[in-house]
Amino acid sequence: GQQLNQSPQSMFIQEGEDVSMNCTSSSIFNTWLWYKQDPGEGPVLLIALYKAGELTSNGRLTAQFGITRKDSFLNISASIPSDVGIYFCAGRPYTGTASKLTFGTGTRLQVTL
Amino acid sequence: GAVVSQHPSRVICKSGTSVKIECRSLDFQATTMFWYRQFPKKSLMLMATSNEGSKATYEQGVEKDKFLINHASLTLSTLTVTSAHPEDSSFYICSASRDANTGELFFGEGSRLTVL
Repeated sequence: GQQLNQSPQSMFIQEGEDVSMNCTSSSIFNTWLWYKQDPGEGPVLLIALYKAGELTSNGRLTAQFGITRKDSFLNISASIPSDVGIYFCAGRPYTGTASKLTFGTGTRLQVTL
Repeated sequence: GAVVSQHPSRVICKSGTSVKIECRSLDFQATTMFWYRQFPKKSLMLMATSNEGSKATYEQGVEKDKFLINHASLTLSTLTVTSAHPEDSSFYICSASRDANTGELFFGEGSRLTVL
């Protein structure tokens, strides 16, 4: 089946630093989504990408849909303590409400003052 | 964004009992909802696809008689963990997509089940 490898698995950074994480797939996806999950809560959608090469920003977050359609990147600029959490990439092979989402393994981000 | 709500957020039950978890889409209709299970420090694992008005589609390895899914209306799907055992203890999360074109999935707050 499809697998999404996300890296790094965890990161310890200082407040103010920029963060980069990526996600690679063994197969092509039509949609890439990035989520953040806080402890004990459901994932919250951060950014959605729909076209190969697309670059989309949401505040300090920027994500890109890889040209090959098999990878995606998320960057967080000037990190702050509330950025702490687990970030998941997720991909869908096609659009439509019944299309299943495959999740990456997650990147745990910890921000120190 | 769209709102998906789960209830209860936490439940503790005795081994052998059944527990029902509700997932509601509050501001849109969802013909399809998804149920996930998440173990500590792990990613989300898709359990089943809940289809309004028809049977759920289960992922390989998920026992359909153990995890009963009912999608009674366009805004409500329920997951019932039957004859729960301690190994069923987990974080269960539902999700739904509002827009067929974008395919963006919105998640509920999750329900933590502890089976004693």
